[in-house]
Amino acid sequence: DQQVKQNSPSLSVQEGRISILNCDYTNSMFDYFLWYKKYPAEGPTFLISISSIKDKNEDGRFTVFLNKSAKHLSLHIVPSQPGDSAVYFCAASASNDYKLSFGAGTTVTVRA
Amino acid sequence: DSGVTQTPKHLITATGQRVTLRCSPRSGDLSVYWYQQSLDQGLQFLIHYYNGEERAKGNILERFSAQQFPDLHSELNLSSLELGDSALYFCASRRGGQVYTEAFFGQGTRLTVV
Repeated sequence: DQQVKQNSPSLSVQEGRISILNCDYTNSMFDYFLWYKKYPAEGPTFLISISSIKDKNEDGRFTVFLNKSAKHLSLHIVPSQPGDSAVYFCAASASNDYKLSFGAGTTVTVRA
Repeated sequence: DSGVTQTPKHLITATGQRVTLRCSPRSGDLSVYWYQQSLDQGLQFLIHYYNGEERAKGNILERFSAQQFPDLHSELNLSSLELGDSALYFCASRRGGQVYTEAFFGQGTRLTVV
């Protein structure tokens, strides 16, 4: 069940510019959202999260925005660095459900 | 290091065989999740255990089963293996079943069925 959707499979951005990754969800019960970063041959690593009581959460170069009415969240990376080249997964969970649902991922390539 | 340990890292086996993947969660984490990633696709949720009990099932095949033991480690058993079962299998652990915390992933087990 694709309750979490990342419709852009890839994104290419120049070093120093902003990367914007988008994620849409369909389950209105989702109230906690996470972004993970994954390098090849490694497990996903947690990046940043946001609960539904907030509309923005910032951690260094990473900011996540949540638009509950649109069931949409985005991850902004500013400025983008070569080490940010990876696959980024959006994930969501609901307080009444034990599942942690993931999107298909967006591959980010940061060009020097 | 996420603190989640998966063994083995790589596994090559023949069709029709049975394998067991093992996951040791972070110390204190009660929840264990299993995910499958095929051919650089997304993470498909398989199953979730909380403190020894199955709590949620995803698109897990009947040929697959899992359990979580009293020491909280978990095993994913894959039987009657088919070529299409070749994938990366990830385990993740989380502090509780419903709290607003992140899950931590292991390095994965790459299963190749030949």
